[in-house]
Amino acid sequence: DGGITQSPKYLFRKEGQNVTLSCEQNLNHDAMYWYRQDPGQGLRLIYYSQIVNDFQKGDIAEGYSVSREKKESFPLTVTSAQKNPTAFYLCASSRDRALGYGYTFGSGTRLTVV
Amino acid sequence: AQTVTQSQPEMSVQEAETVTLSCTYDTSENNYYLFWYKQPPSRQMILVIRQEAYKQQNATENRFSVNFQKAAKSFSLKISDSQLGDTAMYFCAFMKPQGAQKLVFGQGTRLTINP
Repeated sequence: DGGITQSPKYLFRKEGQNVTLSCEQNLNHDAMYWYRQDPGQGLRLIYYSQIVNDFQKGDIAEGYSVSREKKESFPLTVTSAQKNPTAFYLCASSRDRALGYGYTFGSGTRLTVV
Repeated sequence: AQTVTQSQPEMSVQEAETVTLSCTYDTSENNYYLFWYKQPPSRQMILVIRQEAYKQQNATENRFSVNFQKAAKSFSLKISDSQLGDTAMYFCAFMKPQGAQKLVFGQGTRLTINP
């Protein structure tokens, strides 16, 4: 079955460490997105990519970095510059040519700073 | 920039009742898409219903229907014959059809269906 796989499900980071969240899709979707979810704030866009080797900042990109070397993969790195990284992170993809069909989401990664 | 507002942080109803979740949005666009997503305790985001702004007819999906009022920029979700499995966070979302297709989400409404 096609879908989006996020790993790991839970991740713990020490202060000052960089960590990378994985997102892989086999839906042949062109566009991929990273959102952060905090209680009471809904989902906020971190980064998005419409094609391979290209990506753009979303609303809260500071302290995060991404790459898009393959169509299937869009990893997110949470750097030590992100002051409050504890949150739930969701990856999503969409069919760029089928406008307005919304996203397919992964099951998320819960990141906790210890 | 577009904004989406859900004014009900929490709601609670009895099983089999009908419940309506509110959503308003702000945009200067004439053509766009609106969505309701459900996030159960598993935290998997599930698309509930989708509305195209240029269509007058309100979208329906089984027990779920919307009341889309374009002039008022309102997009409420009605759940009929509510079931225990409807217990979840519900997010309203907006998308422009052009460009990057970014989804803009509201803050969410936590809905609890009581037995």
